[in-house]
Amino acid sequence: GAVVSQHPSWVICKSGTSVKIECRSLDFQATTMFWYRQFPKQSLMLMATSNEGSKATYEQGVEKDKFLINHASLTLSTLTVTSAHPEDSSFYICSAGVPGLAGTGELFFGEGSRLTVL
Amino acid sequence: AQSVAQPEDQVNVAEGNPLTVKCTYSVSGNPYLFWYVQYPNRGLQFLLKYITGDNLVKGSYGFEAEFNKSQTSFHLKKPSALVSDSALYFCAVRENQAGTALIFGKGTTLSVSS
Repeated sequence: GAVVSQHPSWVICKSGTSVKIECRSLDFQATTMFWYRQFPKQSLMLMATSNEGSKATYEQGVEKDKFLINHASLTLSTLTVTSAHPEDSSFYICSAGVPGLAGTGELFFGEGSRLTVL
Repeated sequence: AQSVAQPEDQVNVAEGNPLTVKCTYSVSGNPYLFWYVQYPNRGLQFLLKYITGDNLVKGSYGFEAEFNKSQTSFHLKKPSALVSDSALYFCAVRENQAGTALIFGKGTTLSVSS
């Protein structure tokens, strides 16, 4: 199956710093990627839809200046948490669909990136 | 807007017994329905999906789910539970439209006792 890779898998940073999380589609090109956030023992909440070559579409309540998304190529989307604070600590998961498999509806997920802000 | 409901926070079953994890959905048009499993500090693992065709879908690790359009349900089932099935299970729905995201239920923790 298609592979989506995230890096880093775990990052610890000081409050006030910015952290970048990368999401790569390894064996396919993804025009659209999705970023989710998950709090402990809770569901995945869709944060934004990342479109290659255009601005991301953010869900209601998600601060676009706080969570910067860049989808500069067909295989890479990045999420930057700017001026991170402890309340930003969470598990961030990206996903992408394979264009040729659009009819199957399936999305492929990265392993997730755990952010801990001290 | 699409939505998914998993009414149970936790399901407890004994090993060897059948299990059911419930899911109902709301979506305009025909849905794409999915079940994923998540182990602690890990990403999501795909179990099965319903796109079209037979209402009974068979997936990984002996799991299956039945699509019921009239009840807008997509319950996950397994005839004989294993202790290793203990994990967090998510039902998800996606509109039948390219470029749309998956919307997840809140998740159900399955605990299988030996």
